[in-house]
Amino acid sequence: ILNVEQSPQSLHVQEGDSTNFTCSFPSSNFYALHWYRWETAKSPEALFVMTLNGDEKKKGRISATLNTKEGYSYLYIKGSQPEDSATYLCAFRDYGGSQGNLIFGKGTKLSVKP
Amino acid sequence: EAGVTQFPSHSVIEKGQTVTLRCDPISGHDNLYWYRRVMGKEIKFLLHFVKESKQDESGMPNNRFLAERTGGTYSTLKVQPAELEDSGVYFCASSQDQGVDVVAEAFFGQGTRLTVV
Repeated sequence: ILNVEQSPQSLHVQEGDSTNFTCSFPSSNFYALHWYRWETAKSPEALFVMTLNGDEKKKGRISATLNTKEGYSYLYIKGSQPEDSATYLCAFRDYGGSQGNLIFGKGTKLSVKP
Repeated sequence: EAGVTQFPSHSVIEKGQTVTLRCDPISGHDNLYWYRRVMGKEIKFLLHFVKESKQDESGMPNNRFLAERTGGTYSTLKVQPAELEDSGVYFCASSQDQGVDVVAEAFFGQGTRLTVV
């Protein structure tokens, strides 16, 4: 059974702090890793799709790195703002899985205090 | 451009009743996916349509769940009869067809929160 782990489960930071969290996934048969930002009662918002070992992607203050050989990805937020408060989900797709057949982690819930 | 829309946003039904969830994907998106998140657990894949055909339904929990996408436009997910463990948030997502070996970004709807009592 393929498993995706995210840590920490939740995180409370002050406005202006930089933070990062981890997504661990199976290192064999890797195909793609997705990061989503999800606020409850809203649509999960795609942040990044990463496919190559060593990939680094950036969107504003948020960036992500990918290590497919050891099976982890980091998501970094620089200078957290209250509007960054959300659950950050990662989702793994392996080579045997069809498009959209993603295995999600439970997410990291980030709370940013003003 | 309208995003993925789902109806209803909330539904509360009694055990044994039938519920039908609807998803309207982004116009032009051939790929449509259904997912479910049971409270406290991770989002799980249910199935994938390409146009009106079921490409992958390996995540469908049992035969009480029936998904359709007539005409390759909107999709419905019917649960009949509903059980308590079916409670959760049902997400729909859609993506464009970008060819083999191209990982397409999926756009999600806001979900339907189903509560079976």
